[in-house]
Amino acid sequence: AQRVTQPEKLLSVFKGAPVELKCNYSYSGSPELFWYVQYSRQRLQLLLRHISRESIKGFTADLNKGETSFHLKKPFAQEEDSAMYYCALRKWNNAGNMLTFGGGTRLMVKP
Amino acid sequence: NAGVMQNPRHLVRRRGQEARLRCSPMKGHSHVYWYRQLPEEGLKFMVYLQKENIIDESGMPKERFSAEFPKEGPSILRIQQVVRGDSAAYFCASSPPAGPVQTFGSGTRLTVV
Repeated sequence: AQRVTQPEKLLSVFKGAPVELKCNYSYSGSPELFWYVQYSRQRLQLLLRHISRESIKGFTADLNKGETSFHLKKPFAQEEDSAMYYCALRKWNNAGNMLTFGGGTRLMVKP
Repeated sequence: NAGVMQNPRHLVRRRGQEARLRCSPMKGHSHVYWYRQLPEEGLKFMVYLQKENIIDESGMPKERFSAEFPKEGPSILRIQQVVRGDSAAYFCASSPPAGPVQTFGSGTRLTVV
């Protein structure tokens, strides 16, 4: 069975400090992973996909198949990064396309 | 493109009433997903639908909850005989048939009093 684990419910850092939000997954197939972000009382938005290998708002995430991880990193946190972050794993089944989400990590960036 | 539209944004129901939450997917999207976010908790998958077809409802509570996505019109998540524990934010997402990215709506916040 596939599973996404975000071990930290809350991560609090000071502005300018590095940030790493952890995500571990278990999946028997070839994984496709995403990070979604939810700012206060707003809809979830796609932040980045591992396939794209891009940096969005200074965030990057590298898929490590050996460690089954997809941690989200930013070298210098900003106050506007405060939000809820969800790691998600795409699952294909016979009928189509689903995402399994981790429990989420709330990032608080203090001034 | 208006994006994924959910209504109402806020819904208040008394215990025992029915709640109906609507979701209109993005233009060109034929797959709809419903998620529930309980206060101070993460996002939990409920059900995945295509037009006139439930693909996966493994996250739906066995009783009182149902979902549909008719040939015409929005997807509906129906909760019968609501209880206080149903108070949550309910999010809908949609995707194109082969697309991996789900686009989310703004959610419906259900409060049961």
